[in-house]
Formats: sequence, structure tokens, C-alpha cells
Amino acid sequence: GENVEQHPSTLSVQEGDSAVIKCTYSDSASNYFPWYKQELGKRPQLIIDIRSNVGEKKDQRIAVTLNKTAKHFSLHITETQPEDSAVYFCAAQSGGYQKVTFGTGTKLQVIP
Amino acid sequence: ETGVTQSPTHLIKTRGQQVTLRCSSQSGHNTVSWYQQALGQGPQFIFQYYREEENGRGNFPPRFSGLQFPNYSSELNVNALELDDSALYLCASSLRGLPSTDTQYFGPGTRLTVL
Repeated sequence: GENVEQHPSTLSVQEGDSAVIKCTYSDSASNYFPWYKQELGKRPQLIIDIRSNVGEKKDQRIAVTLNKTAKHFSLHITETQPEDSAVYFCAAQSGGYQKVTFGTGTKLQVIP
Repeated sequence: ETGVTQSPTHLIKTRGQQVTLRCSSQSGHNTVSWYQQALGQGPQFIFQYYREEENGRGNFPPRFSGLQFPNYSSELNVNALELDDSALYLCASSLRGLPSTDTQYFGPGTRLTVL
């Protein structure tokens, strides 16, 4: 089955700096990679996603890159703001296995 | 918000009991997925239902079962509760089932505590 590893588990940055979160996956059949933001006590919310036929996608201050050969994908947040503080999860969906696998999460703290 | 609702918000049960959690999907969404999220962990995929049929399952034992109804509501049933079943249970609805890559919209979750 699929295995998704996420690093780092915690990340502190100064307001205005960039934050990078990295994930690796094991199943080469995985074809969809969403990223979720979860604030304390709230539901996960999709912030950006990328499909296996695309190498990079950007939405304002958020970007995701995918390297299918190395089986890793990354989330990049630029010009961080205090409201970006939350736990971020990556996930991988396998076309071969009918399941979705989440990473273990990164707690991002943006210091004003 | 997402239009996905869950009930109840909190629930306390004792070991060995059975529990039913409910989810109401976004209107028009034929697919519901259920996840278990232990404290400090990422959501773990339990299973998915598409048009009232199971459409994929994670590594959970058969005592975790589900139902999906034509009115966009669904249930997660857990029998013979164990202490490790204590977690936040999330449902998520999407238009089509796996292997499509439609966006999933999560509900607020049900916090289950097993004593």
C-alpha cells in the first residue's frame, strides 16, 4: 500500500519569510496530491492540489511542486502571515489502490 | 463552510459498546469518505461509499462498517468499541468516487471518546 512521509513535523518562521513542507510517497501509481490546512478544532480545508500530469501549480502565495521520478512533492508558502499558522497535511491518492493516504502533518507557526 | 454536516459533535461510549455516527453530504455529491483522526495524527482513510456501494477501504477491521442513503446522508458504525477507537471521525463528500480526483469537502467531525 501507499506510504506518505511528511517533514518537518514542526516549523517556525518569522512573518514575511517563506515556509516549505516536503512529502514523499511510495506508490508510483499515485496520481493526485492535495494539501490541507487544519486549524485547531476545525475541519481540514483544501488549500491546493496537483495532479500527476503537472509539475507545478501556484495560487497567490501558495505553490506546490511535484517530482514524479523522485516521488516527492512540496508545499511552498511565501510572505507568511500569522493567519497561516495551522497544521498542514499532504495526501496522496493512488489510482491503483482505492484509498487516500495522508501524511503525519506539519505544525506551522508564523511569528509576528 | 462546506455544506457537509456531522452529528453528534461529541460522544462518549464505553468499551464493547456500539456507535453510529452520521454525515450529511453536500447536495449532489454521490460519494462519501470516512476518516479516523487520532490526536496529533493525520486522517486515516476508513472507507468510501459511492452511490450506496463500498468503493474502497483502508486498513480497518470489519467491525467498522458503513451505509450510504439516496438522500446524501450516510452512517459509520463501529461495533465492539476499543479504547484505541477514541478519535475525531471525519466524513468528506465529493462528486465522484475513486479513482476520480474530485475535491473532497470535509465535515466538522465527531469527537468519540471510549472509556
